[in-house]
Amino acid sequence: DADVTQTPRNRITKTGKRIMLECSQTKGHDRMYWYRQDPGLGLRLIYYSFDVKDINKGEISDGYSVSRQAQAKFSLSLESAIPNQTALYFCATSDKPGTSGRAAYNEQFFGPGTRLTVL
Amino acid sequence: EDQVTQSPEALRLQEGESSSLNCSYTVSGLRGLFWYRQDPGKGPEFLFTLYSAGEEKEKERLKATLTKKESFLHITAPKPEDSATYLCAVQAWGNEKLTFGTGTRLTIIP
Repeated sequence: DADVTQTPRNRITKTGKRIMLECSQTKGHDRMYWYRQDPGLGLRLIYYSFDVKDINKGEISDGYSVSRQAQAKFSLSLESAIPNQTALYFCATSDKPGTSGRAAYNEQFFGPGTRLTVL
Repeated sequence: EDQVTQSPEALRLQEGESSSLNCSYTVSGLRGLFWYRQDPGKGPEFLFTLYSAGEEKEKERLKATLTKKESFLHITAPKPEDSATYLCAVQAWGNEKLTFGTGTRLTIIP
């Protein structure tokens, strides 16, 4: 079974609709991230969370919100979807510093992605 | 602002033809440089982390090296299954964000 799962894998929605993307992980990591990937722009960080009570904005958080329901679950919401939010969305996890030595933290493990189309 | 530039954007090689991918970066104090592989329709898969100039890491046909301004991903005698997009990312001290490049799309022709 995959360590990081995302649902749905594909979603087509209309402008103005609210949509939620979900991420679950079985790696036991404390840290979780949401990215979007656009052609020619690379991966950009939307939000990240270091534990259930910690939520932080990334570089492109406007128009998005997140919820960390449990250590293993991190959801991304688009309150009112717009066409320029059409993209590939990835969830990622990482261990916390010190858990596995110098090399471990921020080695991020990504889910399979959600392809979102906003019409 | 941290920046990562990868070149070339795309590279086609014959099977067995060795080459290198480049990742040039500017960062305010390098905490780590990361290489990922991404197959079509999938999430990035972690390959290597490099921390300081002169460091090298190897995995099968791949070898990553680091200088103060760039990193190279050398691929030796590639096989068709090495075809993928290779992503480079950097992280600065005091910053939890990874800055990604746009990747090099590598195609190995049998």
